[in-house]
Amino acid sequence: RKEVEQDPGPFNVPEGATVAFNCTYSNSASQSFFWYRQDCRKEPKLLMSVYSSGNEDGRFTAQLNRASQYISLLIRDSKLSDSATYLCVVKFGSWGKLQFGAGTQVVVTP
Amino acid sequence: DTGVSQDPRHKITKRGQNVTFRCDPISEHNRLYWYRQTLGQGPEFLTYFQNEAQLEKSRLLSDRFSAERPKGSFSTLEIQRTEQGDSAMYLCASRTNLAGGPVGGNEQFFGPGTRLTVL
Repeated sequence: RKEVEQDPGPFNVPEGATVAFNCTYSNSASQSFFWYRQDCRKEPKLLMSVYSSGNEDGRFTAQLNRASQYISLLIRDSKLSDSATYLCVVKFGSWGKLQFGAGTQVVVTP
Repeated sequence: DTGVSQDPRHKITKRGQNVTFRCDPISEHNRLYWYRQTLGQGPEFLTYFQNEAQLEKSRLLSDRFSAERPKGSFSTLEIQRTEQGDSAMYLCASRTNLAGGPVGGNEQFFGPGTRLTVL
């Protein structure tokens, strides 16, 4: 079983619609949580950190449920430019190494 | 450009050859990480440096792999006797040692990666 599991998608979303997806993690010692965005053949880039109380950054809302060990991301008013792979990431260990899920592909269509 | 840079961006080699990749982190970042990403998967941690000290190595890092960061600035990752299974994107990331806010203290900034193809 993978440490961080995500639905690979693709999630096909009409422009302007809302899409939500989540991931689960198995390491209860995970310390911090993030969503990274990765465009095709590019490096991952931090989208947002995820806090226990939930947090919002513009059209993006992230939630963390430590008891159930899952993290969610919601994108409102989807733009064509939101098309990407979204990587669920947990930080653990002494040195801040990151553990990535395999990613959820989102395709926003006109 | 003040981001993380990696060289080369692409490398094609024949099985059995040795290859070396270079990573130049953001200048004030003393923490440096190497990850490997294969198609359809997320990046997997390989190794971690704090300044010049290599403090952690993943079990993924077989004895054919070696990494260095001799002066605590740039880092190299060498793969000896490459195998077809080594074909992947090799990503380098760096971050500061500062505590504090989630972006300034925790964010790992990734380089563009080196795409290795072993024929």
